[in-house]
Amino acid sequence: NAGVTQTPKFQVLKTGQSMTLQCAQDMNHNSMYWYRQDPGMGLRLIYYSASEGTTDKGEVPNGYNVSRLNKREFSLRLESAAPSQTSVYFCASSFGLAGLQETQYFGPGTRLLVL
Amino acid sequence: LAKTTQPISMDSYEGQEVNITCSHNNIATNDYITWYQQFPSQGPRFIIQGYKTKVTNEVASLFIPADRKSSTLSLPRVSLSDTAVYYCLVGGTYSGNTPLVFGKGTRLSVIA
Repeated sequence: NAGVTQTPKFQVLKTGQSMTLQCAQDMNHNSMYWYRQDPGMGLRLIYYSASEGTTDKGEVPNGYNVSRLNKREFSLRLESAAPSQTSVYFCASSFGLAGLQETQYFGPGTRLLVL
Repeated sequence: LAKTTQPISMDSYEGQEVNITCSHNNIATNDYITWYQQFPSQGPRFIIQGYKTKVTNEVASLFIPADRKSSTLSLPRVSLSDTAVYYCLVGGTYSGNTPLVFGKGTRLSVIA
């Protein structure tokens, strides 16, 4: 099993450009998450999907949109990138919704630089 | 949502036992305590989880006193490869079913 995979690994954007970060898991998990991590900071939840067909906002959803394409895939879209969105983005998944003693499994991250 | 407080950073020499304490004064009856470890340039990974007393696995031990207002992650005989950020999370069932919140964690530096 590959676990949680993310593409791309690294991306440079200019201010105003758009892009989609892809995430997929092969563990048959129901819940998926997108986090961002700024230098020296903890993880902040952007959006999550408790189950296929549902999405909810986390702590810092502004400037992002998500799509739970199917049970395996959860994408994060930046419609108009801003320098403040320079960060490392992590996707995670869990069998049930984290908060109910469910372990989250994280991907390797996408490093995004917005100039 | 139970708020957690843990030290920002800790240093240790190789071979020593490291104890990282997390305070969670307003932990709820249904909340579990979970610790994650994050190596540089990687996503966090689950280490250990407990509800009360003591839990031990191949990586660490978790000590939880009877009042459950704090917990201590114990790493036996650390090595350089244990240098990482350690996150304490507290949660269980919430109204609205919101996921757990990661704080800033404790940055452990192991010195040779």
